[in-house]
Amino acid sequence: EDQVTQSPEALRLQEGESSSLNCSYTVSGLRGLFWYRQDPGKGPEFLFTLYSAGEEKEKERLKATLTKKESFLHITAPKPEDSATYLCAVVSSGNTPLVFGKGTRLSVIA
Amino acid sequence: DTGVSQDPRHKITKRGQNVTFRCDPISEHNRLYWYRQTLGQGPEFLTYFQNEAQLEKSRLLSDRFSAERPKGSFSTLEIQRTEQGDSAMYLCASSSGQAHGYTFGSGTRLTIV
Repeated sequence: EDQVTQSPEALRLQEGESSSLNCSYTVSGLRGLFWYRQDPGKGPEFLFTLYSAGEEKEKERLKATLTKKESFLHITAPKPEDSATYLCAVVSSGNTPLVFGKGTRLSVIA
Repeated sequence: DTGVSQDPRHKITKRGQNVTFRCDPISEHNRLYWYRQTLGQGPEFLTYFQNEAQLEKSRLLSDRFSAERPKGSFSTLEIQRTEQGDSAMYLCASSSGQAHGYTFGSGTRLTIV
């Protein structure tokens, strides 16, 4: 069974303090790893898809990387508007829908 | 294209009542998914459709839950005889393929009183 574990559960940063969120996964043949951002009371918003180990994607202050066992979401010089829950999800070769982790709740303090 | 639409945004109902939610996906997307999310948890898969065919249902989907997608367009999710534990955010998403990013709607927040 596909599993996704995210750490830490919650992270509090000062504005400008860079950090990384971790997503560890166990799947039978990874077809894609996805990062989403979710604001309170809203649906998840797509950020990145990574398909193979070594791949990297960037968007503004966010950079996602992928290895064979985990993915990192690096946040460089975060701003208060980056505060949200960041969700990681995987899709495997078993043709199953996205399996999500529990998310990391990020708070950036001005 | 206005994205994925869900209606209603909020629903408060008494225990034992039936409720129905609607989802309008992105028109070009042939796959439609229903997820449920409770506080502090990630979305949990309920069921999905490819066009009008319901291809998979989670073990979470008890006999009280039923979903339809007539003509492969919008979808409805009905919960019969609601229970306290059904209180959650119900999310709908659509995609054009399994390994493509899903586009989520804003969700329907269900509260059972």
